[in-house]
Amino acid sequence: DAKTTQPNSMESNEEEPVHLPCNHSTISGTDYIHWYRQLPSQGPEYVIHGLTSNVNNRMASLAIAEDRKSSTLILHRATLRDAAVYYCIRIRGNQFYFGTGTSLTVIP
Amino acid sequence: NAGVTQTPKFQVLKTGQSMTLQCAQDMNHNSMYWYRQDPGMGLRLIYYSASEGTTDKGEVPNGYNVSRLNKREFSLRLESAAPSQTSVYFCASSEATTASNQPQHFGDGTRLSIL
Repeated sequence: DAKTTQPNSMESNEEEPVHLPCNHSTISGTDYIHWYRQLPSQGPEYVIHGLTSNVNNRMASLAIAEDRKSSTLILHRATLRDAAVYYCIRIRGNQFYFGTGTSLTVIP
Repeated sequence: NAGVTQTPKFQVLKTGQSMTLQCAQDMNHNSMYWYRQDPGMGLRLIYYSASEGTTDKGEVPNGYNVSRLNKREFSLRLESAAPSQTSVYFCASSEATTASNQPQHFGDGTRLSIL
């Protein structure tokens, strides 16, 4: 979906925090924001999701802007196993609006 | 803990052949989904089933049919395969009847090549 945009690639040093941005300027009030990641030759793996408030789980944090037009996935300490393509997705019921994904490289 | 199981993992077809991709989940989830992922691209939703007995079209349903055989199984059928359907196909399931507020669990994919 052209209206859910992400940078094509990002790099991070190992054990440093990573902030992955996503712009979803046409988001509606009922759209949830989900993040998934995908390793080569594997299916996507759920990371986190939210609606309005910031969310934390054991994998990451999700910071949602007050106007909800952007969000940021935060990996607190990047490891080599975090190297993957990260997808930001707006979901409204069973309608999906995928971002193009950010390929994260973690440098040892 | 199998989660979502897809069979086969790999398949090569000739143009015009038919085949069915199988998907089963053991998490007692209500909704199930079929996606395709073309090289270097994100996922596109083909069909979904919000609950047993219901199916609905997604973004790219043309050339495909689905069957929600029971709560566990959701199959995807290509009636007359075309080279444009060469892709990796992923099945997913979710506890809720909508994907909005629940995670989806994905299988490892079926890599399908059509010559």
